Amino acid sequence: GNSVTQMEGPVTLSEEAFLTINCTYTATGYPSLFWYVQYPGEGLQLLLKATKADDKGSNKGFEATYRKETTSFHLEKGSVQVSDSAVYFCALRVLTGGGNKLTFGTGTQLKVEL
Amino acid sequence: NAGVTQTPKFRVLKTGQSMTLLCAQDMNHEYMYWYRQDPGMGLRLIHYSVGEGTTAKGEVPDGYNVSRLKKQNFLLGLESAAPSQTSVYFCASSQYQAGGLNEQFFGPGTRLTVL
Repeated sequence: GNSVTQMEGPVTLSEEAFLTINCTYTATGYPSLFWYVQYPGEGLQLLLKATKADDKGSNKGFEATYRKETTSFHLEKGSVQVSDSAVYFCALRVLTGGGNKLTFGTGTQLKVEL
Repeated sequence: NAGVTQTPKFRVLKTGQSMTLLCAQDMNHEYMYWYRQDPGMGLRLIHYSVGEGTTAKGEVPDGYNVSRLKKQNFLLGLESAAPSQTSVYFCASSQYQAGGLNEQFFGPGTRLTVL
């Protein structure tokens, strides 16, 4: 089956620190990979995505590279801000079975302090 | 555009009571989804729909029913609520695009407590 494993949180960083949130996956088939972000009290929003090996998704200073050889899609940001405090979810989608269904990881809470 | 809206935002039920959660989207999306979010478990798919009049089971469908009578609405029903159904429920929708990368758009969530 399909599954996504994320590093456990919370991750606490000082403002301007470097961020890495690890994500690895197992999938039957060739998945597309996503990072979603959930700000406090809100629903999830798509942060970035990648559809094939070696693709790099980027948005708002965040980046993630689709690594097929290590089945990973780690999220990085060079300098975090307090406003980046949120829960980050890694997800995958395989184009079989219909319905455009996503499989989510458990989420990683990020807290950024001044 | 309001995007995806959910009603109600909060609800407290007693064990055995029933209720319906309403999801509405104004983006003319074909696909709609209901998820539950529990601590340490991420989001799990309850049911989904690939078009008006169709529904299908997701990962955790037991204890829930759904209906998609209109394209823009997707209802989630709990016939006899149990404390294990205490959770935050999210609705999402996406467009159909063959082979495409169809982003899912999420509603703000409904926090349900079953006593």
